[in-house]
Amino acid sequence: AQSVSQHNHHVILSEAASLELGCNYSYGGTVNLFWYVQYPGQHLQLLLKYFSGDPLVKGIKGFEAEFIKSKFSFNLRKPSVQWSDTAEYFCAVAHRGTYKYIFGTGTRLKVLA
Amino acid sequence: DVKVTQSSRYLVKRTGEKVFLECVQDMDHENMFWYRQDPGLGLRLIYFSYDVKMKEKGDIPEGYSVSREKKERFSLILESASTNQTSMYLCASSLRLAGAHEQYFGPGTRLTVT
Repeated sequence: AQSVSQHNHHVILSEAASLELGCNYSYGGTVNLFWYVQYPGQHLQLLLKYFSGDPLVKGIKGFEAEFIKSKFSFNLRKPSVQWSDTAEYFCAVAHRGTYKYIFGTGTRLKVLA
Repeated sequence: DVKVTQSSRYLVKRTGEKVFLECVQDMDHENMFWYRQDPGLGLRLIYFSYDVKMKEKGDIPEGYSVSREKKERFSLILESASTNQTSMYLCASSLRLAGAHEQYFGPGTRLTVT
């Protein structure tokens, strides 16, 4: 079955620490990949996306993600987190040619000031 | 700026009641989606629609139905609410281009069924 795995359910970091959140998917064929973020009390919003081209994509607020096709992974990174990055992060995968997205279970990030 | 609005932020209903959740988007998007969000389970797709009057079941359609009579509006219906439908419900919309594109989400409706 098609699935998306986010290995870390809860992450606690101090400000200025580096962040890497894992995302792996099981999907045959060509996919579009997304990271969404949900800040406390706010809408889910797009952080970054990969459709094709350079596998290293940059998003808003200093986030980036790398698509490694051979590992079926799309990990999210940020070199130095801030308290305002406290949020829940969701990885999502969509098979091209369909409208259906599969979301991971989410990672709750807490950044300590 | 895309705006997706949902009729209520919080809703409390009794078991057995019929519940309507409304979603409206203002960007002429073809696709609309209903998800439920539960802690530890992420977002699970209930139904989606790719055109007026068109719908497809998602992963967890049981106990739900949908209606899309106008392009901008997508309604989720709980025919007979049950306590296990207590959840956060998210509506989303997206363009229908080749392949799946980013979704724009509403603020969510937190439904409690007592």
